[in-house]
Amino acid sequence: AQRVTQPEKLLSVFKGAPVELKCNYSYSGSPELFWYVQYSRQRLQLLLRHISRESIKGFTADLNKGETSFHLKKPFAQEEDSAMYYCALSGIGGNQFYFGTGTSLTVIP
Amino acid sequence: GAGVSQTPSNKVTEKGKYVELRCDPISGHTALYWYRQSLGQGPEFLIYFQGTGAADDSGLPNDRFFAVRPEGSVSTLKIQRTERGDSAVYLCASSLNPNYNEQFFGPGTRLTVL
Repeated sequence: AQRVTQPEKLLSVFKGAPVELKCNYSYSGSPELFWYVQYSRQRLQLLLRHISRESIKGFTADLNKGETSFHLKKPFAQEEDSAMYYCALSGIGGNQFYFGTGTSLTVIP
Repeated sequence: GAGVSQTPSNKVTEKGKYVELRCDPISGHTALYWYRQSLGQGPEFLIYFQGTGAADDSGLPNDRFFAVRPEGSVSTLKIQRTERGDSAVYLCASSLNPNYNEQFFGPGTRLTVL
């Protein structure tokens, strides 16, 4: 069965500290992995996708097929990073998306 | 340009009633998705349209839920005989095509069944 696991519901870090939001997945084929973010009072939006291999707002995520993980990292957290982060998975062709339960990140000034 | 819009933003109804939730996708987006998000959970896939047809409706929880997209643009999610457990935020998203997987989300409709 397809599943996305985000083990931390809440995560607090101090401004300037490194941050890592964990995501593990299970999928029988070759998935595409995404991170979506929802800032306060805004709609859900794409942060980054693994096939793009981009760094967005200082965030990166590497797909580790051996560990079936797609952790989101940023070396120096900023206050504006405070938001809800969702890891998501889709199969090739994008018929379905599976979202994790989300991690609420708070960056303490 | 305009993003995905959903109406109404809030809907309060009584148990047993029928409701319709509307989604206007971004113009030109052929793929449209409906999700349900309960409190403390991530979005849960319900149904996916490619054009006018439901390409995958395996996420619909039961036959009280139905969705249409008759002209390949606007979609309506219909819930019959609502139950208190249907209370959630219903999200709609669209993407340019199913192989371009960035989804653009609407603001959601918060459904409360009393």
